Amino acid sequence: GAVVSQHPSRVICKSGTSVKIECRSLDFQATTMFWYRQFPKKSLMLMATSNEGSKATYEQGVEKDKFLINHASLTLSTLTVTSAHPEDSSFYICSARRGYNEQFFGPGTRLTVL
Amino acid sequence: TQLLEQSPQFLSIQEGENLTVYCNSSSVFSSLQWYRQEPGEGPVLLVTVVTGGEVKKLKRLTFQFGDARKDSSLHITAAQPGDTGLYLCAGVGGNKLVFGAGTILRVKS
Repeated sequence: GAVVSQHPSRVICKSGTSVKIECRSLDFQATTMFWYRQFPKKSLMLMATSNEGSKATYEQGVEKDKFLINHASLTLSTLTVTSAHPEDSSFYICSARRGYNEQFFGPGTRLTVL
Repeated sequence: TQLLEQSPQFLSIQEGENLTVYCNSSSVFSSLQWYRQEPGEGPVLLVTVVTGGEVKKLKRLTFQFGDARKDSSLHITAAQPGDTGLYLCAGVGGNKLVFGAGTILRVKS
């Protein structure tokens, strides 16, 4: 099967600091990865599409300078939440696409900003 | 913009009851997926339906894709407490998945 990992699974940080979240496809290469944000008991909200070797495509309303995405290789994408504030606290989930329409989701990262 | 309306948003039932979750859209999707998510974890794919009118069964779960590929349903027979979770439908539209709002299912023993 296809496995996607995320690190860290949980992070607590102080307001104003930056936090990096890694998403890795462990057993396949993913030219495209996606970053989602999820609020409690709500659906997934797509933040951006990350393409290997090019700039990420952000959804409307998502600040690209706030949420920096780097797709460094075919198996790694990172999301950096810069100058985090309490309103950035959320569950962040990545997915990696294999083939045309197969997406495999990571286990998520719980970010708490104090 | 493609949108998927999912209903109901919340469902609390007794063990052994049947239930159906619906996903509807005015747009046509090339395929539609159903996911189940438990708290603190990522969504797990249950099924992908591709052909209009397609019916797929996964143990007590039955998935149906509408003839026009605009709607889908998930039917659970004899629900168990282990079925508790967030169920998400997602339409495959171009490069992205379009998610429904989700259905929180709670099965009480």
